Amino acid sequence: DTEVTQTPKHLVMGMTNKKSLKCEQHMGHRAMYWYKQKAKKPPELMFVYSYEKLSINESVPSRFSPECPNSSLLNLHLHALQPEDSALYLCASSSGQGRGPLHFGNGTRLTVT
Amino acid sequence: TQLLEQSPQFLSIQEGENLTVYCNSSSVFSSLQWYRQEPGEGPVLLVTVVTGGEVKKLKRLTFQFGDARKDSSLHITAAQPGDTGLYLCAGDRDGGTSYGKLTFGQGTILTVHP
Repeated sequence: DTEVTQTPKHLVMGMTNKKSLKCEQHMGHRAMYWYKQKAKKPPELMFVYSYEKLSINESVPSRFSPECPNSSLLNLHLHALQPEDSALYLCASSSGQGRGPLHFGNGTRLTVT
Repeated sequence: TQLLEQSPQFLSIQEGENLTVYCNSSSVFSSLQWYRQEPGEGPVLLVTVVTGGEVKKLKRLTFQFGDARKDSSLHITAAQPGDTGLYLCAGDRDGGTSYGKLTFGQGTILTVHP
């Protein structure tokens, strides 16, 4: 069982919908991450939160909006997505200040129709 | 520019065979991690290597970090169908604009046939 929990496991949304992905960890890690992964490719970094502050935004389009309500929770708010945004969205955490190794959740499989 | 070159990208072998996956770079890494990802799941950390020349063993898996901390290899002995998955190397570089960012290799998709 993974110690990083992501919900929902699957999500299908239209291009005009607003939805949110959720991530939770109780390992006391102070760095949390959002990654996007296409099939059979490595994860691509989107955002890094360190001590609940956004420290890295990898030039992600504004239709993706991260939020870190507290040290255990990380959300990714989605709005007006495009079909090419369909992917596996992975949340991860690490004990270091934005350094690996990473503990990944099992991801949310997102399909944009 | 891909900072971590991982090879091969695809590997299809029979149960019982041995294999090696390589990650090479011209950059120095403070540490390097190997992950395995199975379909429908997130990557799972297998090992972290931090010292140049370090060798770590995990049952049938042997991990090596190059002396100059620029390359790493993963060797699997007597592969089993349960070893099937996507193997990812990821390097951690010190400081500067790389802070907080792991550099991933392209991944190796391993299929072990019974």
